[in-house]
Amino acid sequence: AQKITQTQPGMFVQEKEAVTLDCTYDTSDPSYGLFWYKQPSSGEMIFLIYQGSYDQQNATEGRYSLNFQKARKSANLVISASQLGDSAMYFCAMREGGVSNFGNEKLTFGTGTRLTIIP
Amino acid sequence: SQTIHQWPATLVQPVGSPLSLECTVEGTSNPNLYWYRQAAGRGLQLLFYSVGIGQISSEVPQNLSASRPQDRQFILSSKKLLLSDSGFYLCAWSLGQGIYNEQFFGPGTRLTVL
Repeated sequence: AQKITQTQPGMFVQEKEAVTLDCTYDTSDPSYGLFWYKQPSSGEMIFLIYQGSYDQQNATEGRYSLNFQKARKSANLVISASQLGDSAMYFCAMREGGVSNFGNEKLTFGTGTRLTIIP
Repeated sequence: SQTIHQWPATLVQPVGSPLSLECTVEGTSNPNLYWYRQAAGRGLQLLFYSVGIGQISSEVPQNLSASRPQDRQFILSSKKLLLSDSGFYLCAWSLGQGIYNEQFFGPGTRLTVL
């Protein structure tokens, strides 16, 4: 089973509108972290936002916020007031905690969503 | 501040040739290091990670290997490249252990095997 699922391969959004990128995850570990990365056409991976499984509030970073619904195992990224520079691939990723993963700091990535902002 | 370097930026190699990609991190000590591969239009696949010098863990069986000869140096190698090795290779580093452990990525190497 996929640990991270991003069901939207591509999205087109009008500039200045808000956009929600979906991400669902699968884990039996009570301790985990969720990350969103942005990958522009240059290829670099840019960290956007983080949500811990025990965090009580949804994470926010500037125009980025994470709609964390733990019971549904979803961690959707919300970008407010989209800009042309937001056009990129967006990846959701998860790190699972627990004793068995101690020292194994790997991230599991979804397949990504290509976001295109239309002027 | 910490920086991560990868070279070369692009590489075109024939099938059967050897490969050596290098990654170095500056401004930190004892980082965790990672090699990822991204096929065209796909997500990232973890290939190797290392928590210390000489300590390499492989995630996917393949004809690639990794080595960490120095604390802040991570090398990805192959003795004989396959067509399927083409892709975008990203090195990343992180510090410490725990759930919140952001990984910082290098600029990547785009490898084309012909």
